[in-house]
Amino acid sequence: AQTVTQSQPEMSVQEAETVTLSCTYDTSESDYYLFWYKQPPSRQMILVIRQEAYKQQNATENRFSVNFQKAAKSFSLKISDSQLGDAAMYFCAYRSARVNTNAGKSTFGDGTTLTVKP
Amino acid sequence: ETGVTQTPRHLVMGMTNKKSLKCEQHLGHNAMYWYKQSAKKPLELMFVYNFKEQTENNSVPSRFSPECPNSSHLFLHLHTLQPEDSALYLCASSQDARGSYEQYFGPGTRLTVT
Repeated sequence: AQTVTQSQPEMSVQEAETVTLSCTYDTSESDYYLFWYKQPPSRQMILVIRQEAYKQQNATENRFSVNFQKAAKSFSLKISDSQLGDAAMYFCAYRSARVNTNAGKSTFGDGTTLTVKP
Repeated sequence: ETGVTQTPRHLVMGMTNKKSLKCEQHLGHNAMYWYKQSAKKPLELMFVYNFKEQTENNSVPSRFSPECPNSSHLFLHLHTLQPEDSALYLCASSQDARGSYEQYFGPGTRLTVT
């Protein structure tokens, strides 16, 4: 079974600065997908960024980028130029690429609550 | 309406009540999910439906009964719940159940069992 670990329950960052949220996972599979989701207070969870395990290039989406280290099973999220609207709980998630036995299964980490200080 | 909607947003029920949670997606997706989010545990996958067929039941107690009449609607029928079932219940959808597709989440139903 896959596991996802987010070792930082809470993080804080000064507005306009950079913060990195950590995520490690454990799997015996070679093909999978990794996601970061953002859940603002009392608002819907939305996708921040995704990474295909077969791609060596790290995914980027505007101010959000990942550092994907497949051998180390690490998938950290870097938020540059932090804004007040980035304050939320961030979840790291793993999804298997298998079509049959693990189809639809997602494994989420416990989440990291990010506070942005003005 | 757009995206994934859930009703009701808040629900308080006694342990002997029967209630249902409703989820509707307006994205043309073929997979739908129920998750439980509580303070003490990470997001727990409960059920997966892919093209209206249940493909995953993550050892969920029988007091939770899902129903997926079509690809756009998903229900969670609740009966004789326990106080520990109090949580935020999230519905999600994706293009289909393959892992490459991101999930789109609803706002959740905050359930309190008294």
